Amino acid sequence: QLQLQESGPGLVNPSETLSLTCSVSSGSINSRGYYWGWIRQPPGKGLEWIGGIYYSGSTYYNPSLKSRVTISIDTSKNHFSLRLSSVTAADTAVYYCVRDTRHSTYEAGGWFDPWGQGTPVTVSS
Amino acid sequence: DIQMTQSPSSLSASVGDRVTLTCRASQTISSYLNWYQQKPGKAPKLLIYVASNLQSGVPSRFSGSGSGTDFTLTISSLQPEDFATYYCQQSYRTPRTFGQGTKVEIK
Repeated sequence: QLQLQESGPGLVNPSETLSLTCSVSSGSINSRGYYWGWIRQPPGKGLEWIGGIYYSGSTYYNPSLKSRVTISIDTSKNHFSLRLSSVTAADTAVYYCVRDTRHSTYEAGGWFDPWGQGTPVTVSS
Repeated sequence: DIQMTQSPSSLSASVGDRVTLTCRASQTISSYLNWYQQKPGKAPKLLIYVASNLQSGVPSRFSGSGSGTDFTLTISSLQPEDFATYYCQQSYRTPRTFGQGTKVEIK
């Protein structure tokens, strides 16, 4: 059964870059048909989609975060990563990595399953 | 962005009740609507995809319906383990967006 696990610092200073990695086990990240993505949830609030990456490296991002976000993939290590620059307190959240079944060509369609357990990140000095 | 609005924001119900949650999109999204369940301190879990398809392993008391802009998630007989927050999510356009959630509490 495919499993995803987030890792990275739990505390980031304001104005710096948040970096997280999602390790995929019991399955290959280098498989056609899937994107790999990130979703976040501020404390006590709802879910916000950040973006996703295909195994080939093709990406799609939330326009509200696009200027600050980079998602990359390393198929040799079976993991993918998130970088979010110039963070502020508003970026404090639990960050989840997910498998995204979106089609590689068509924009419409897809769902998020499974999810990692989530990793909390606080932006504070 | 496509706005997703869920109603009610919260509800109280008893074990055995039939519960219906509603999700409305700000524009048509065909059937590209998914439902997730989230329990406190846990990651969301996929329940329903493409409006009415039950994810493998999800109990059959959960069902989804709708198309266009209006969708529903129904729990036919509420069980103790169903008390949670439920989110809808559209996958018709980028950015993918979620509703604000409906919290189902014990009466």
